[in-house]
Amino acid sequence: QVQLVQSGAEVKKPGASVKVSCKASGYTFTGYYMHWVRQAPGQGLEWMGWINPNSGGTNYAQKFQGWVTMTRDTSISTAYMELSRLRSDDTAVYYCARGPKGGSGYSNWFDPWGQGTLVTVSS
Amino acid sequence: QSVLTQPPSVSAAPGQKVTISCSGSSSNIGNNYVSWYQQLPGTAPKLLIYDNNKRPSGIPDRFSGSKSGTSATLGITGLQTGDEADYYCGTWDSSLSAGGVFGGGTKLTVL
Repeated sequence: QVQLVQSGAEVKKPGASVKVSCKASGYTFTGYYMHWVRQAPGQGLEWMGWINPNSGGTNYAQKFQGWVTMTRDTSISTAYMELSRLRSDDTAVYYCARGPKGGSGYSNWFDPWGQGTLVTVSS
Repeated sequence: QSVLTQPPSVSAAPGQKVTISCSGSSSNIGNNYVSWYQQLPGTAPKLLIYDNNKRPSGIPDRFSGSKSGTSATLGITGLQTGDEADYYCGTWDSSLSAGGVFGGGTKLTVL
């Protein structure tokens, strides 16, 4: 079955960086985009951007430009999201989710989602 | 503050029907497809509806979606206690800060 398995929880100090991995199985990794979405404690969902696993091309939400880096390793069907210059309000569960490219007039959905990776930023 | 507006909470009795609204604008819902997600406590979101009104394989027909203008609605019939969850609408926003956007979420309580 289609599955996304993410790396484990992280605790980081303010100013540090974190890199979360997302291993895909059960489908052709390069056939779909990989999106990243985060959810702060008790809050809603926030889209961060996507990576095209086929080309490596990326599209980041304006808020995260210059601050997030999404990469992939097609040899092991794994996508990565690295967030730098962490602040306390970056404490959240970070999800990867498979989907189409999205965009105006195009289908937009996320399925499935990884189990989530809790990143805690604390001094 | 979320781009899409949802009621914070809704409630209904087991077996009843409930609807959850999602309001946006012409830059998002008005010109793009809407999807809906169910998030059970402590778990990742799950896709319920995509392309406004389509159900993925395995999603029962108790769940339905519709869209009119700049608003979308999720309907759930035959409510079960297992439906208690947070529900989120999502779409694409084509404004200057283009990207995926979500509603703030609606907590469904099955009384």
